[in-house]
Amino acid sequence: ELKVEQNPLFLSMQEGKNYTIYCNYSTTSDRLYWYRQDPGKSLESLFVLLSNGAVKQEGRLMASLDTKARLSTLHITAAVHDLSATYFCAVGQGAQKLVFGQGTRLTINP
Amino acid sequence: GAGVSQSPSNKVTEKGKDVELRCDPISGHTALYWYRQSLGQGLEFLIYFQGNSAPDKSGLPSDRFSAERTGGSVSTLTIQRTQQEDSAVYLCASSLTAYEQYFGPGTRLTVT
Repeated sequence: ELKVEQNPLFLSMQEGKNYTIYCNYSTTSDRLYWYRQDPGKSLESLFVLLSNGAVKQEGRLMASLDTKARLSTLHITAAVHDLSATYFCAVGQGAQKLVFGQGTRLTINP
Repeated sequence: GAGVSQSPSNKVTEKGKDVELRCDPISGHTALYWYRQSLGQGLEFLIYFQGNSAPDKSGLPSDRFSAERTGGSVSTLTIQRTQQEDSAVYLCASSLTAYEQYFGPGTRLTVT
């Protein structure tokens, strides 16, 4: 059974700092996703990572994938308040479903 | 273009009643997914439809849950004899390929 674990689950940081969220998964998959969720809102797709060594960047967020270690990271550079949200990683299982991590609630303080 | 839409946005129902939740996928998307997000269980897969193939129902938590997709487009998730543990946000997603799923705004279900 595929399990996806994120850490940390809660993260409070100051504006301007850098930090990394980790996503470990238990079995082989050909795709990994990062989503953002604001309170009371749905999931917004951030990145889709499809191959070992894949790295994608958008603004202050950068995601990477190491399929051999079954690990993905979401790195936040010089955080700003607008990035406060809950971040989920999800791993594709078969052609159908996504298995989600528990989510990381990120709070960025001025 | 229009994204995935869901209705109602909020639903409050009494324990034991049946509810129907609706999802309108993005036009042309052949795959449709239902997920549930609850405090205790996080985000869980419920069911998946792909074209005219038999749906993958492996995530449905009990036989009180069922879903159908008419004409390869709109989908309805039905929960019979609702229980308090069914309270959650029900999210629908659609996709054209296996590599992207677009989520709707969700239906928040509260069972009293």
